[in-house]
Amino acid sequence: RKEVEQDPGPFNVPEGATVAFNCTYSNSASQSFFWYRQDCRKEPKLLMSVYSSGNEDGRFTAQLNRASQYISLLIRDSKLSDSATYLCAVRRGSTLGRLYFGRGTQLTVWP
Amino acid sequence: SAVISQKPSRDICQRGTSLTIQCQVDSQVTMMFWYRQQPGQSLTLIATANQGSEATYESGFVIDKFPISRPNLTFSTLTVSNMSPEDSSIYLCSVSGESNGNTIYFGEGSWLTVV
Repeated sequence: RKEVEQDPGPFNVPEGATVAFNCTYSNSASQSFFWYRQDCRKEPKLLMSVYSSGNEDGRFTAQLNRASQYISLLIRDSKLSDSATYLCAVRRGSTLGRLYFGRGTQLTVWP
Repeated sequence: SAVISQKPSRDICQRGTSLTIQCQVDSQVTMMFWYRQQPGQSLTLIATANQGSEATYESGFVIDKFPISRPNLTFSTLTVSNMSPEDSSIYLCSVSGESNGNTIYFGEGSWLTVV
């Protein structure tokens, strides 16, 4: 079983729509959780960390469910500029350790 | 966040040759990692570059194929040896350390095409 499984999409939504991505992780020892955004032919860039209590950054909301071992990302009022691939990532134990990445979910927002 | 520079940004190489990718960080970082992302795939960790000692390789990756150096806390190199078309990929340097909140950041990547 892969360390991180992610809904591959693709998701094609109109501007203004709300879209949600889910990601599950297999190792219960995972301690840190992140969402990265990757534009075509670019490096992944950190979108937001995911905290136990859930967190929000503008139109983006991330949630963590430790019991079910999944994390989610909600994007409200989608913009054309949100079109990208969204990667979830988890880290075990050490705060300096490597990340395990999901395959990514492709989002296209159309006008 | 740390500024990470990777060179070359892209290259086209002949099979059987080797290419060394450099990663330079503008501040000292504790951890440096090398990832590979093949077309349409997610990021796969090749190895953790350890300062002053041999890199720690993930399953499926070996030192003879991917020798790594890390002479200090701001610089690392990854060599892709005896390349084949299957090595065509983006190679990404990433760093993590207390100075950037233990978050992992990526360099811009090196796009490698083997013909």
